[in-house]
Amino acid sequence: AQTVTQSQPEMSVQEAETVTLSCTYDTSESNYYLFWYKQPPSRQMILVIRQEAYKQQNATENRFSVNFQKAAKSFSLKISDSQLGDTAMYFCAFLVNDMRFGAGTRLTVKP
Amino acid sequence: SQTIHQWPATLVQPVGSPLSLECTVEGTSNPNLYWYRQAAGRGLQLLFYSVGIGQISSEVPQNLSASRPQDRQFILSSKKLLLSDSGFYLCAVSGTGVQPQHFGDGTRLSIL
Repeated sequence: AQTVTQSQPEMSVQEAETVTLSCTYDTSESNYYLFWYKQPPSRQMILVIRQEAYKQQNATENRFSVNFQKAAKSFSLKISDSQLGDTAMYFCAFLVNDMRFGAGTRLTVKP
Repeated sequence: SQTIHQWPATLVQPVGSPLSLECTVEGTSNPNLYWYRQAAGRGLQLLFYSVGIGQISSEVPQNLSASRPQDRQFILSSKKLLLSDSGFYLCAVSGTGVQPQHFGDGTRLSIL
């Protein structure tokens, strides 16, 4: 069975600092996709970043980057220069045939 | 680009009443469609997904059902709501093949 684990239910960070959210997953598949979604208080689900498992290079999107460790089955999200608007729930997701989501990490950016 | 319409945005229903939530998609054809439920402060639970008209796969047995009468329409229904059906319901769409899912704005369902 494919599972996604986010071990940090809540985190906080000071504005302008860097924070890393962790995610691990379990699968026997070799080709898959990983995503981070952001859910702000409005509850809209927003795709932040994606990573294809066959690519060794870590994906980056502006202030968001991932550290993908395939052997360790780890997919962490780094947010640089945190902004107040980054306050949200963050979900790690894993896709082979269908999408599996982690339980989420609630991130609070403090002024 | 695709647009996902989900309504109503909020709904308050008594226990035992029926339910119908609708999701329609624009800007894509033959999408994969999904219904998720999110309990307060929790992650997403996949309820149903559909790869085509009339094709519905259920992930969790419960008193909910789904239908896909048209290519870009996905409906979540119940004949008799339970208190445990309260939550935030999200419709999602992805293209064929391996594609990330994009979400509608959700329906907040409260059962009294």
